[in-house]
Amino acid sequence: RKEVEQDPGPFNVPEGATVAFNCTYSNSASQSFFWYRQDCRKEPKLLMSVYSSGNEDGRFTAQLNRASQYISLLIRDSKLSDSATYLCVVGHAGGSQGNLIFGKGTKLSVKP
Amino acid sequence: DVKVTQSSRYLVKRTGEKVFLECVQDMDHENMFWYRQDPGLGLRLIYFSYDVKMKEKGDIPEGYSVSREKKERFSLILESASTNQTSMYLCASSQLRLAGAYNEQFFGPGTRLTVL
Repeated sequence: RKEVEQDPGPFNVPEGATVAFNCTYSNSASQSFFWYRQDCRKEPKLLMSVYSSGNEDGRFTAQLNRASQYISLLIRDSKLSDSATYLCVVGHAGGSQGNLIFGKGTKLSVKP
Repeated sequence: DVKVTQSSRYLVKRTGEKVFLECVQDMDHENMFWYRQDPGLGLRLIYFSYDVKMKEKGDIPEGYSVSREKKERFSLILESASTNQTSMYLCASSQLRLAGAYNEQFFGPGTRLTVL
């Protein structure tokens, strides 16, 4: 079983739509969770950290379900500029100093 | 503003050449990482370093070596470049891991290496 799994997509949605991505992780001892965003031919950048209680940043909401070992990202009122690949990232106990495990990403395309 | 820079955005080398990729961060981070990213395979960790002169192998270290002589600089070396090392190479840095938490990694812009 892969450590961090995501649906690769692509998710093709119209502007204004709400879209949700899920990600599952295999190591139950995982401690830190993030969503990164990567634009085409650019480097990944942190979108948001994911906290146990869930957190929101504007149109973006992240949730963590430790019992089922999955993380979700909800994007409301999608914009054209949200088109990107979204990477689910996990840090787990037993990993080396600062080592994070990256999912392969989910591609989102927002159409006019 | 935090910054990770890489020596080249695009690089073309010939098979058998020795290739140096340089990465510099200005955030005084302890950890530095080298990844390669290929379509369908995602980010794969090559090597990382958590201190000067310290290094650890990642998932795919074969054919690569690294050097960290100064805290801010982490170099990736391809001793004898091969066509299967054509890829996007990304450097990242992060603060030392705190107990129970992992810190965000900051990435450089990447070097797209083509080996002919």
